[in-house]
Amino acid sequence: KQEVTQIPAALSVPEGENLVLNCSFTDSAIYNLQWFRQDPGKGLTSLLLIQSSQREQTSGRLNASLDKSSGRSTLYIAASQPGDSATYLCAVSRLGGFKTIFGAGTRLFVKA
Amino acid sequence: DVKVTQSSRYLVKRTGEKVFLECVQDMDHENMFWYRQDPGLGLRLIYFSYDVKMKEKGDIPEGYSVSREKKERFSLILESASTNQTSMYLCASSFGGRNTGELFFGEGSRLTVL
Repeated sequence: KQEVTQIPAALSVPEGENLVLNCSFTDSAIYNLQWFRQDPGKGLTSLLLIQSSQREQTSGRLNASLDKSSGRSTLYIAASQPGDSATYLCAVSRLGGFKTIFGAGTRLFVKA
Repeated sequence: DVKVTQSSRYLVKRTGEKVFLECVQDMDHENMFWYRQDPGLGLRLIYFSYDVKMKEKGDIPEGYSVSREKKERFSLILESASTNQTSMYLCASSFGGRNTGELFFGEGSRLTVL
């Protein structure tokens, strides 16, 4: 059974710092891995999608990597800003199925 | 841009009422999903649909039903709302096939059952 773990559960950093959020999963038979952002009381916004055959994806100040063999993904945020404050979730979709397993999220606070 | 629209952002209902949550997507996606999100429990899949009139149970279907009469619309129905169904409900869609492509979510519907 796929399990997705995100560490740390919460993180507080000063503005301008580069930071890394971690996601680990137990079953490497994945179709893709997706990183989302969620603001309080809102839905999930897709940030980056990495297909199982890819190693990384980049969008602006965000870079996500995937190491399927070790069951790990990282989300790197460069030059963090107060507007980056949100909960970040990673989600793993199973190969050959419709189930997506979500991590519990990392709550990020960027101090001005 | 993909847009997934949930008709109600906030609802307050009484125990025993029938509740409809509507979701519409504008990207011609085959797959649509209903999740609920609760503190400490994360996102849990209630039902999903991979085609019009097709549906499959997720992890927590008890107390819920769904309807998909048109490709763009997926409705979640609580036949008789109970207080333990107070939650944030999230609709999502993705392209089809036997795998789940990139998921796009709506803004969520916060349901309170009194």
